[in-house]
Amino acid sequence: NAGVMQNPRHLVRRRGQEARLRCSPMKGHSHVYWYRQLPEEGLKFMVYLQKENIIDESGMPKERFSAEFPKEGPSILRIQQVVRGDSAAYFCASSPGLVGEQYFGPGTRLTVT
Amino acid sequence: AQTVTQSQPEMSVQEAETVTLSCTYDTSESDYYLFWYKQPPSRQMILVIRQEAYKQQNATENRFSVNFQKAAKSFSLKISDSQLGDAAMYFCARSSKSSGDKLTFGTGTRLAVRP
Repeated sequence: NAGVMQNPRHLVRRRGQEARLRCSPMKGHSHVYWYRQLPEEGLKFMVYLQKENIIDESGMPKERFSAEFPKEGPSILRIQQVVRGDSAAYFCASSPGLVGEQYFGPGTRLTVT
Repeated sequence: AQTVTQSQPEMSVQEAETVTLSCTYDTSESDYYLFWYKQPPSRQMILVIRQEAYKQQNATENRFSVNFQKAAKSFSLKISDSQLGDAAMYFCARSSKSSGDKLTFGTGTRLAVRP
């Protein structure tokens, strides 16, 4: 039973480049959540998706950030024109439905130089 | 805003002793969930224990137990017989179906275990 998978685990981008973070939920899970953890802080909700739908993006910055969860394939968190302040750990979590419990991936650590 | 507060940035416990981590939260909902997550240096988020708000009985998982005081909106974590492997950041979190189960986290408590 594979857990939530995220890749890459580490990503280095120069300012102005694009970052693409991928998340494959656990088998049978159709709900995906993205969270961001800035250094020395707790996790902050970004976006909640179900297959082909964005359900709640209230935590997403208005510009440069987007997310998708296509019918086939992983969920993608995309950050355009990255800036140093985007450096953080980005975690994906999945669940089979509204059951309260989410299972986390290992995270992607994004470093912007 | 629905907030979660952890007032202890750092705690320390002697190996084999017991430690309690505090958490309070704010909510206007009656149906919600509370969680404690552990984040070791590997940064993997590990679910330690969960509590449904409608259940009066405190959740227990081996050496980990909670003291859930619904009226006081308090949800503390007790770790008994502390082990060196318990050293980590601990995050308290809440979610509710009405908010799509998204988790709201506290700022965390760093637990050190002294040998």
